[in-house]
Order: sequence, then structure tokens, then C-alpha cells
Amino acid sequence: DAGITQSPRHKVTETGTPVTLRCHQTENHRYMYWYRQDPGHGLRLIHYSYGVKDTDKGEVSDGYSVSRSKTEDFLLTLESATSSQTSVYFCAISEGRIRENQPQHFGDGTRLSIL
Amino acid sequence: AQSVTQLDSQVPVFEEAPVELRCNYSSSVSVYLFWYVQYPNQGLQLLLKYLSGSTLVKGINGFEAEFNKSQTSFHLRKPSVHISDTAEYFCAVSDSGGYNKLIFGAGTRLAVHP
Repeated sequence: DAGITQSPRHKVTETGTPVTLRCHQTENHRYMYWYRQDPGHGLRLIHYSYGVKDTDKGEVSDGYSVSRSKTEDFLLTLESATSSQTSVYFCAISEGRIRENQPQHFGDGTRLSIL
Repeated sequence: AQSVTQLDSQVPVFEEAPVELRCNYSSSVSVYLFWYVQYPNQGLQLLLKYLSGSTLVKGINGFEAEFNKSQTSFHLRKPSVHISDTAEYFCAVSDSGGYNKLIFGAGTRLAVHP
């Protein structure tokens, strides 16, 4: 298994509070991603990073921000959590691009509930 | 924009029977295609991928998929399923031009019954 650790694994919080999820990798991979998984939608990309301090938006980025100050850590922040952000969040990593035959590998997820 | 349609949200099947999970995608450019499996309370694990070459792709756990460009499909098959194959399966596509952005289908829940 790829060395990916997501923390926390479970979190319950209240609407309006800030929340930060952490993804830590031990593979020294260049690319890191944050997805959310919701019933009927599969996984949808929130943000991704192609290097330290290099990040870009995915298809559902509103209400989320990210930071990557070190190769091994990619943080996802909900500045002011809303109930619509209740979801399971997955981090993924890849060594290179898909066309270089470098697929994405996923962590075990963080289940976030916003009441 | 690309999209992926998994035609069945649930597929019940008996143990040792064959199974096919269907996936269609929409894209006007060359694509890369993937199937991932998710066991309960776990992350996604790569089953197989198509990047180029032979249209029949073999993956782990006895699964295979066939890329059909004319029908824009990438159906997943297994000739004989086991109870342990019970899981959710996701088809995903990425176009050849952009960064590693994957577009996922909604998933198919495979339930294998004894």
C-alpha cells in the first residue's frame, strides 16, 4: 500500500467552524489530490497540487482551500464549514502524470460530519 | 466536459457466476481509463488501467476490461466471482492532454451472494 496517512479519520463539528484535514505521504510523490465522495456522485476533485506551493482548483473547490508547504503534507481547509460539506474526503498521490503510467493511489479517507 | 456513466448502480450476482459492470464515457479526445475498487471503510484500489495498446486489459483479482472506442465504453468483467468481490467499483477517465485530473462515475455496488 502507498504510504498515505489521513488525519483525523473521523470528525464531527458544527456549522460555521473551521476544519483542517491533513494528508501525509511517505512516498515523496510530486502530485497530491483531495477528493470528496458522496452517494450518487462518485469521487469529485476538490483541489490538487503539482509541487510544493503549487496548487490548483478542481471541479468542486468552492468553500475549500489547500496548502502544501512540504512535499509530504497537503492540507485541506474548510474556512467555515457548512452541512453540505458533510462527506468522506480522500487524499490521493501520484509520482507523475497519468500519461507517464503513474496512477493515483488513495488514502483510507476522513469521514466528516457537520451538524 | 468529460463525463462517465456507470449504467448500473447495483449488481447482484451469485457466487461463481460471471459479471459485467458497464461504463460509458464521453470525450472527443484520446482518453485514459481506469477501474478502481473500494471495499467497506477503505480507500480506492486500482484494479486495472488502459493507456494505449491492446484494447483488452487484465487487472488484479481476475478482472479484465475491454476498451471500445467506437462505443466509448470500458466494461469490466470477471468470469467467476467470489464472495470477497463484494465491493463498490468505480470507473474513471482522464484525457490525454491535461494534468492528472480523474473524472469518476457514480459507482456500481457489486453484491455477491452465496
